[in-house]
Amino acid sequence: EDQVTQSPEALRLQEGESSSLNCSYTVSGLRGLFWYRQDPGKGPEFLFTLYSAGEEKEKERLKATLTKKESFLHITAPKPEDSATYLCAVHVGSARQLTFGSGTQLTVLP
Amino acid sequence: EPEVTQTPSHQVTQMGQEVILRCVPISNHLYFYWYRQILGQKVEFLVSFYNNEISEKSEIFDDQFSVERPDGSNFTLKIRSTKLEDSAMYFCASSAGLAQETQYFGPGTRLLVL
Repeated sequence: EDQVTQSPEALRLQEGESSSLNCSYTVSGLRGLFWYRQDPGKGPEFLFTLYSAGEEKEKERLKATLTKKESFLHITAPKPEDSATYLCAVHVGSARQLTFGSGTQLTVLP
Repeated sequence: EPEVTQTPSHQVTQMGQEVILRCVPISNHLYFYWYRQILGQKVEFLVSFYNNEISEKSEIFDDQFSVERPDGSNFTLKIRSTKLEDSAMYFCASSAGLAQETQYFGPGTRLLVL
């Protein structure tokens, strides 16, 4: 059974304190891994797509990396506005559906 | 920037009633999806739709659910006889298709079944 596990479940950081969120997956035939940001009561907002091990993508304070077993979302010098739940999702095989992890709830304190 | 829109933002209904949730996908996208998120739980796939037919569906998407693209812009999810456990946020998403896999999500409809 395809599984996507995110850790930690929740993370509290001080403003400026860099850290990483983890998404580990056990799937057959990964076709793509996606990171989304979700604010309370809102829809997932697309951040990054990663397709192959070794790939990296960056956007402002965020950097996503991918290995054969996991992905990391690195947050450098976070600000309070980065507070949100960060979701990881995968495309597997020929299916177009996304399988989501449970998310990491990030709180950045001023 | 193009975005997926959904209406209504909130819907309250009585158990056993029919509801229709509406979505306008991004205009040049070819694939359309519905997901749901029960409060405090993961986002779960319901159904994907391409070329005017269902291409995939999950076990959740039983005979009580149906989808339709009634015109060139709208994509709807109908729940025929709502149950208490249908209470959730329902998200519509779309993707361009072909080599563009990224799915863009709408803001969601919060459905509460009483």
